Amino acid sequence: EAQVTQNPRYLITVTGKKLTVTCSQNMNHEYMSWYRQDPGLGLRQIYYSMNVEVTDKGDVPEGYKVSRKEKRNFPLILESPSPNQTSLYFCASSFWGTSGSYEQYFGPGTRLTVT
Amino acid sequence: GQSLEQPSEVTAVEGAIVQINCTYQTSGFYGLSWYQQHDGGAPTFLSYNALDGLEETGRFSSFLSRSDSYGYLLLQELQMKDSASYFCAVRGGDYGQNFVFGPGTRLSVLP
Repeated sequence: EAQVTQNPRYLITVTGKKLTVTCSQNMNHEYMSWYRQDPGLGLRQIYYSMNVEVTDKGDVPEGYKVSRKEKRNFPLILESPSPNQTSLYFCASSFWGTSGSYEQYFGPGTRLTVT
Repeated sequence: GQSLEQPSEVTAVEGAIVQINCTYQTSGFYGLSWYQQHDGGAPTFLSYNALDGLEETGRFSSFLSRSDSYGYLLLQELQMKDSASYFCAVRGGDYGQNFVFGPGTRLSVLP
């Protein structure tokens, strides 16, 4: 089954304690992204990756790091989380659909609370 | 900067037709997408327009006018299960990998 998986699904942590949210896709997609979703703001892109070892900043990269050492994995790292990073996080992989559409396939989300 | 605007809420009855508009201002443009998100769920892809005109996929259609920086999602024969949030998103940036989403439109379908 084609899927994007994220772990953990829920996380409560304290300010300053480093954490990693993992993301893995089994569809061999080259492109992957991380988003955060906050009420009234839609989804905002944090980082994206066009292939292994190729990453770039999205619109809200401050306070986050990513890496892409393998094509299937794209972890999101918060070196020193702060309460303003409390949010719902989605990982997505992108591909060209059969009808010429450009589609993103989203993981189930990770709800992060930083106290 | 980059921004997208869409109505915050829309209400319609079962069987009706509803149109959700989206206007955008972006520095680069490759295409306009629409996503559906049910409460507690992940966004799911609905449609993508790279060129002007109408794209039809079953009960859903999407329209794009690049000259007007405008698009819309048309939902026909509304069903209760269509109650969800709908997001437009512009694919842009230098390599077409920067995505900017609108704030979302909450659609409520009434019986």
